[in-house]
Amino acid sequence: EVQLVESGGGLVKPGGSLRLSCTASGFTFSNYIMNWVRQAPGKGLEWISSISSSSTSIYYADSLKGRFTISRDNANHSLYLQMNSLRAEDTAVYYCTRAGPRGDYWGQGTLVTVSS
Amino acid sequence: DIQMTQSPSSLSASVGDRVTITCRASQSISSYLNWYQQKPGKAPNLLIYTASSLQSGVPSRFSGSGSGTDFTLTISSLQPEDFATYYCQQSFSSPRTFGQGTKVEIK
Repeated sequence: EVQLVESGGGLVKPGGSLRLSCTASGFTFSNYIMNWVRQAPGKGLEWISSISSSSTSIYYADSLKGRFTISRDNANHSLYLQMNSLRAEDTAVYYCTRAGPRGDYWGQGTLVTVSS
Repeated sequence: DIQMTQSPSSLSASVGDRVTITCRASQSISSYLNWYQQKPGKAPNLLIYTASSLQSGVPSRFSGSGSGTDFTLTISSLQPEDFATYYCQQSFSSPRTFGQGTKVEIK
């Protein structure tokens, strides 16, 4: 069974940093493109970053303006999102997703709250 | 990036109603279109992939159709557990962009 478990969310002050992790199981992690998607309170789904299976191709939403960095460790079946210079508008549930030909698998999400 | 536009943004319906949600892509995406259902506090749940294929375990009252730029999600007879928000997502190219969502509410 495919499982994705996010961790690392929490309360952080504006300007602070946070590192999210996603631990994958139930599939060959190194074969798949992985993504981070977020959802602000009461809002829709926003794709924020993707990384190819071997980390050779990485993409970010323009709205991030270089503040976030995606990475992965295939040996440890893990995906990461380093978030710097956090703003109130980054407050959201952050989901790790696995892209596939039959739709995406989603983790349960981790809440990031940016507030003083 | 491919833009996805859903309509309506919300609708009110009664149990037993037939409900239709549409999704339009800004360019042709062939049949690379997924539909998700999301309930409050939960992650999105895949309903339909490649426009018309029903995900395992999803009730047959859900169906999808379309290709190219125009797609439809239909719920043939709305059930109480179907009141939720629905999102389309294109999987034709990266990034896999989403529609803005359609909230289905009780009438």
